[in-house]
Amino acid sequence: DAGITQSPRHKVTETGTPVTLRCHQTENHRYMYWYRQDPGHGLRLIHYSYGVKDTDKGEVSDGYSVSRSKTEDFLLTLESATSSQTSVYFCATASGGNSYNEQFFGPGTRLTVL
Amino acid sequence: AQSVTQLDSQVPVFEEAPVELRCNYSSSVSVYLFWYVQYPNQGLQLLLKYLSGSTLVESINGFEAEFNKSQTSFHLRKPSVHISDTAEYFCAVSDGSGAGSYQLTFGKGTKLSVIP
Repeated sequence: DAGITQSPRHKVTETGTPVTLRCHQTENHRYMYWYRQDPGHGLRLIHYSYGVKDTDKGEVSDGYSVSRSKTEDFLLTLESATSSQTSVYFCATASGGNSYNEQFFGPGTRLTVL
Repeated sequence: AQSVTQLDSQVPVFEEAPVELRCNYSSSVSVYLFWYVQYPNQGLQLLLKYLSGSTLVESINGFEAEFNKSQTSFHLRKPSVHISDTAEYFCAVSDGSGAGSYQLTFGKGTKLSVIP
């Protein structure tokens, strides 16, 4: 498995505060992704990166921003957290070396916005 | 854009009974198909994948899935389930064109509960 860590693993915050989640990988994978998982919705793509400083929006990007200054790190920021952003967030990576794009997942971050 | 439908949100089954988890995807010229498993409070793990060749693919723990192009399906089966198979299962599809972001589109998941 790809070495993917996420921090923090759990976070409770209040509405209106900024929150940054970190994804770190040790596999030198080119592609990185942020998903949110909610009951009844499966996994939905928030943002993704196809290289350092190269990012794009996914299906549910409103209220989120990302940055990737190094290959190994992909940050997800909630500029002003809302209760609707309470969710479990997963980071994933893919090497990009194969056309079929097998993705490897981190352990997740459980975020609660009060 | 691709879409994936998992027809059952929850599937209860008795231990040692067979199970089928259904997955249909929207048609495309070529696709790659995946099943991921998520055990409680964990991330997703790849269970098996169809890339090309034989339409029947197998995992190391007894699951198998069959790619059916005419029915645009990729159903997951196991002839005899164990308690340890209790988990949520996600079907995913990747556009086989290889262009762009190599995104995966996921279904909403099926929770498999194995009853002792």
